[in-house]
Amino acid sequence: QVQLQESGPGLVKPSQTLSLICTVSGASIDRGNYYWSWIRQSAGKELEWIGRIYTSGTASYNPSLKSRVTISRDTSRNQFSLELNSVTAADTAIYFCARGVVWLGNIWFDPWGQGTLVTVTS
Amino acid sequence: DIHMTQSPSSLSASVGDRVTITCQASQGISRNLNWYQQKTGKAPKLLIYDASTLDTGVASRFSGSGSGTDFTFTISNLQPEDFATYYCQHYGNLPLRITFGPGTKVDVK
Repeated sequence: QVQLQESGPGLVKPSQTLSLICTVSGASIDRGNYYWSWIRQSAGKELEWIGRIYTSGTASYNPSLKSRVTISRDTSRNQFSLELNSVTAADTAIYFCARGVVWLGNIWFDPWGQGTLVTVTS
Repeated sequence: DIHMTQSPSSLSASVGDRVTITCQASQGISRNLNWYQQKTGKAPKLLIYDASTLDTGVASRFSGSGSGTDFTFTISNLQPEDFATYYCQHYGNLPLRITFGPGTKVDVK
C-alpha cells in the first residue's frame, strides 16, 4: 500500500522560503510511470497544483508559481521535497503531496498525503 | 488556457437522493477528467478517472460520464458518508496544466 506523509515547519515568515518533505512508503519514487506532486489548498478551498517530479527526476511546475518553486528528490530516502521562496500571506495553505498516475494522456492523483498546514506570518 | 467550471457550488440533499454535479471545460479535453471526494479535514480521495472509470473499491452508486467539454458526476443513492465536497480535475500537456474545479459541497437538507 502506497502512503505519503508530509513534514516541515508549520510557520514561515514572509519573504522566507517554505520547505516541505514528502516521505513515500510502499513504492519507489524512481520507478514506474508516476509524477510525484505537490498540491495546495487555501482557506478558500480551491485546490492548486504546484508542481511535480517524474520518476526520471525531471521536474515541472505550475506556470503561475514557476519562478518561486523548486521540487527535488532524495531517492536514497525515498523522499521528494518542495521549496517555495519569497512567501507571502497568500501562500498560507494546506500543502499535500500526492502520486500522479499517468495513463494514456491523463493524470490523476492517488494516493494523497494527509496534508500539512503552513501559515505565513511574521 | 482551459478553464474548468463546476456547478452547483453547493447543494443540499437527503439520504437516498440522486445527486448530480456537472463540470464544464472551456475547450474539449477528450475524457481527461477525474473526480475526487474530500471530507472535512481530510485529503481528497480519487473516485473516478478518465471521466467514467471507478477507482478500485469505490462504491457503485458513484458514476461519471461525458467527454469533450461537458461532464457529469452522479451519486445514485446518497448515503450519510457521502456528505462532502466533490472536485473535478483535468490534466492537459500542451501547455502543461493541471486544474481543479472549484468544488461542489454536498450537505444535509
